[in-house]
Amino acid sequence: AQSVTQPDIHITVSEGASLELRCNYSYGATPYLFWYVQSPGQGLQLLLKYFSGDTLVQGIKGFEAEFKRSQSSFNLRKPSVHWSDAAEYFCAVGAGGAAGNKLTFGGGTRVLVKP
Amino acid sequence: GAGVSQSPRYKVAKRGQDVALRCDPISGHVSLFWYQQALGQGPEFLTYFQNEAQLDKSGLPSDRFFAERPEGSVSTLKIQRTQQEDSAVYLCASSFTRDGNTIYFGEGSWLTVV
Repeated sequence: AQSVTQPDIHITVSEGASLELRCNYSYGATPYLFWYVQSPGQGLQLLLKYFSGDTLVQGIKGFEAEFKRSQSSFNLRKPSVHWSDAAEYFCAVGAGGAAGNKLTFGGGTRVLVKP
Repeated sequence: GAGVSQSPRYKVAKRGQDVALRCDPISGHVSLFWYQQALGQGPEFLTYFQNEAQLDKSGLPSDRFFAERPEGSVSTLKIQRTQQEDSAVYLCASSFTRDGNTIYFGEGSWLTVV
């Protein structure tokens, strides 16, 4: 069965500083990997996704993530955070194909941004 | 509409009451998913439709939960005899393709059972 672990429940970062959110997954085949962001009271917005090809993927809002098969990781990074980046971030893995990409989510990392 | 629309956005139900949550996916989207998100946790898969066919309902927590999508567009998630542990946000998502390449989420229906 697939699973996702986000080791950090909370992260506090100063505005303008860099941010890295960790994600480790367990999946038997080549995974479909996603990062979503959720602001309070809102649904999930897709930041970026990895299916195949270049292991460094660019997303919206200046985010990027790197797929490392050997480490079963898909960490999210942003060079310089803005106050508006304060939100909860979810990593997810999907099977794709006939499963329709049923997603398994991690527990989330809440990001707080200090002025 | 422009996005996935869910209603009601907020629902307070008395324990034992039946509730129905509606999802209007993006027009033309083949795949539709329901997820349950408890407070402070990540979303958990409930069920998946491809057009009107319910291909996976492995995540439904009990036989009190029932979902349908009779015409392959709008979907309803019904919870019978609600219990306090059903309190959660219920997220609907849709995708244009069968493999769910890019999945769009609605803002969710917040259910509180008192």
